[in-house]
Amino acid sequence: KNEVEQSPQNLTAQEGEFITINCSYSVGISALHWLQQHPGGGIVSLFMLSSGKKKHGRLIATINIQEKHSSLHITASHPRDSAVYICAVSQNTGNQFYFGTGTSLTVIP
Amino acid sequence: NAGVMQNPRHLVRRRGQEARLRCSPMKGHSHVYWYRQLPEEGLKFMVYLQKENIIDESGMPKERFSAEFPKEGPSILRIQQVVRGDSAAYFCASSPLGGAGYTFGSGTRLTVV
Repeated sequence: KNEVEQSPQNLTAQEGEFITINCSYSVGISALHWLQQHPGGGIVSLFMLSSGKKKHGRLIATINIQEKHSSLHITASHPRDSAVYICAVSQNTGNQFYFGTGTSLTVIP
Repeated sequence: NAGVMQNPRHLVRRRGQEARLRCSPMKGHSHVYWYRQLPEEGLKFMVYLQKENIIDESGMPKERFSAEFPKEGPSILRIQQVVRGDSAAYFCASSPLGGAGYTFGSGTRLTVV
């Protein structure tokens, strides 16, 4: 079983739709990260969370530490949001990240 | 601040050759992490280094792979006698002490032919 599980694996949305991607984890963490990867591209860190909620433009990330769950929301989605979104956690102990397998998002005009 | 710089962006090697991947961390970052992304798979941790020290190499294959982060210069991930299964995207990330500001590089895509 993976330490980090994401859902859905694939998501297709119409432009303008509200999108939610979910992440559950099973280990104690010091922080949770949401990352964005475009096809053939590098990885961009969108958010680092240890509690509560963060907002950046049309992106909102929330985390519930008790339930070990985080969500990434995209409001008013746009085709340029099409990418793979990856949830990653850094543990309380140890130095590595654990990654979800990613959610591939396609936003259709 | 140029961010985390990885080079080359693309690297093609024949089976049996050596591959050297470089990572220059962000200015002020003393911690470097290497990750591998195999085709159709998620990112996997390989190794965590500080200057002149390997802190955690639990994700490194036991043979052919090595990493260093010298006092001067970039971190190097070295793969000896490459095989087709080494074809992947290799990402480097860096952070300052404490982990805030964790930043990824653009990756090196290694193709073994």
